[in-house]
Amino acid sequence: AQSVTQPDIHITVSEGASLELRCNYSYGATPYLFWYVQSPGQGLQLLLKYFSGDTLVQGIKGFEAEFKRSQSSFNLRKPSVHWSDAAEYFCAVGPPATDSWGKLQFGAGTQVVVTP
Amino acid sequence: DTGVSQDPRHKITKRGQNVTFRCDPISEHNRLYWYRQTLGQGPEFLTYFQNEAQLEKSRLLSDRFSAERPKGSFSTLEIQRTEQGDSAMYLCASSPGAGVRTEAFFGQGTRLTVV
Repeated sequence: AQSVTQPDIHITVSEGASLELRCNYSYGATPYLFWYVQSPGQGLQLLLKYFSGDTLVQGIKGFEAEFKRSQSSFNLRKPSVHWSDAAEYFCAVGPPATDSWGKLQFGAGTQVVVTP
Repeated sequence: DTGVSQDPRHKITKRGQNVTFRCDPISEHNRLYWYRQTLGQGPEFLTYFQNEAQLEKSRLLSDRFSAERPKGSFSTLEIQRTEQGDSAMYLCASSPGAGVRTEAFFGQGTRLTVV
């Protein structure tokens, strides 16, 4: 069965510290991979995406993610967090080699709290 | 480009009532998606349209749910005889049509509370 796992439900990090959010997936083939961020009461904003090519992907707001095929992982990182990074982060996978880029399967999310 | 717009942003209804939500996608986006997000969970895919054609429906979309996109532009999602379990955020997203490999753009959602 296809699945997306975000092992950490909640992470607390100090402002200025580094952040890593984990994402593992189970899929028949290498899917397309996405990280979205959601602020309270808001919709989803795309941070970055991986379709193919370079396995280290740069996104907006200083985020990056690395695709590791052998580990079926797509972890999100940021070297130095800002208070404005407090939000919920979702990893998502989409079916490869189709046009349904918007038909996504999401993980349960990781809530990030940033302390002063 | 004003982004994906959803209306209303919030809806409180009594159990058993019908509700309808509207989504206006980014102009010229042929694909439109509906998702449901319950508290503490990630969004779950409900259905999607290519222009006016509804191409796929999730098993989550019970008979009480119906979605339309009559002219291939805006879409509506109707829930009949609402139940407390329908309380959730309903998200709409749009993307360009076939052959354009890019992400889906999400609206801010409609939060439904069934009392």
